[in-house]
Amino acid sequence: DTEVTQTPKHLVMGMTNKKSLKCEQHMGHRAMYWYKQKAKKPPELMFVYSYEKLSINESVPSRFSPECPNSSLLNLHLHALQPEDSALYLCASSPLGGGGGARHTGTDTQYFGPGTRLTVL
Amino acid sequence: GQNIDQPTEMTATEGAIVQINCTYQTSGFNGLFWYQQHAGEAPTFLSYNVLDGLEEKGRFSSFLSRSKGYSYLLLKELQMKDSASYLCAVRDGSDSWGKFQFGAGTQVVVTP
Repeated sequence: DTEVTQTPKHLVMGMTNKKSLKCEQHMGHRAMYWYKQKAKKPPELMFVYSYEKLSINESVPSRFSPECPNSSLLNLHLHALQPEDSALYLCASSPLGGGGGARHTGTDTQYFGPGTRLTVL
Repeated sequence: GQNIDQPTEMTATEGAIVQINCTYQTSGFNGLFWYQQHAGEAPTFLSYNVLDGLEEKGRFSSFLSRSKGYSYLLLKELQMKDSASYLCAVRDGSDSWGKFQFGAGTQVVVTP
């Protein structure tokens, strides 16, 4: 089973709204990721959680706030977004956590969820 | 940092073979991955190479030459459902977080 689930599939929100995106995996993966993808562009890494701790924040604006309540769940809280934040938000997970000189192997690939299509009005 | 280059678009006929090239320049290397992405959907993992040579998986094969910073994905017996974007991704070997750097993707159009 290599399934990562995301909810909702589609989300439309105003610039003053607060909403959350959810991601879940039950593969025992220890690293989870948030990516943002614009049309016809590759995914851009936003955050990496390793062993439920925020490990990488790729200079993402504070209107995006990630949270990892447990090893299976990853949330992305959204507040005061801008229309240019409209995109496909992808969650991914991979078996190994990072840091501490970890050596990743080929089996440590990233598995993506179906994404949430976000539109900010 | 890493630079990853792949062609923007390729067109081929159903039943034919298409080869998508990917070149990369990296400060560290720990694997090259290929993903398929249909429009509006998530990337799906296809294959990976960490050592030189050819990896075959059914109709899809991937090749790597680390000395040349080069990989290709070979799609055989093309089907209409293979029309998608194909992303080349390199794992950074210089950090222990194993971050991926994605190429811009190659849009493959399969015609009848």
